[in-house]
Amino acid sequence: ELKVEQNPLFLSMQEGKNYTIYCNYSTTSDRLYWYRQDPGKSLESLFVLLSNGAVKQEGRLMASLDTKARLSTLHITAAVHDLSATYFCAVRYNAGNMLTFGGGTRLMVKP
Amino acid sequence: DTAVSQTPKYLVTQMGNDKSIKCEQNLGHDTMYWYKQDSKKFLKIMFSYNNKELIINETVPNRFSPKSPDKAHLNLHINSLELGDSAVYFCASSHPQGAEGGFEKLFFGSGTQLSVL
Repeated sequence: ELKVEQNPLFLSMQEGKNYTIYCNYSTTSDRLYWYRQDPGKSLESLFVLLSNGAVKQEGRLMASLDTKARLSTLHITAAVHDLSATYFCAVRYNAGNMLTFGGGTRLMVKP
Repeated sequence: DTAVSQTPKYLVTQMGNDKSIKCEQNLGHDTMYWYKQDSKKFLKIMFSYNNKELIINETVPNRFSPKSPDKAHLNLHINSLELGDSAVYFCASSHPQGAEGGFEKLFFGSGTQLSVL
């Protein structure tokens, strides 16, 4: 059974600071996703990572993938309040494109 | 127009009832999904469905059944509702050929919050 673990589960940080969210998964997969969810809202796709060493950046967020270590990171640079949300990583585990999600990291950025 | 739309947004019902949640996507995607998000925000896949194949997560009780009248719709029917079914249910869709650069990105609906009393 594929397991996906994120840490930390909760992160409170000051604006302007940098931090990294980690996502570990237990078995081989060909793609990893990062999603954002605002409170009471739906999930918004941020990144899709397909290969070892893949790095994607959008604004203050940068995601990377190490398939050998089965690890993805989501790095936040100079955080701003608008980044406050819950961030999920998800790993595809079969041809039906079914995803296993991590437990989510709730990020709060304080002014 | 909303890409993936679900109705109702909120559903409050009694134990033992049967209910349905509707989902429609106007993206022309071939594959649709149902996910369940519990009170601790854990997201779990329930079903993956395209016009050829239904894949069921083996942990989903058979009281849950997806019904697809056509490619743009995947409704979720739940029989004999239980307290533990209370959660937010998300519909999603994607293009299996990976039209978005081969990424098969999922587009999620806004969710249906189900409360079973």
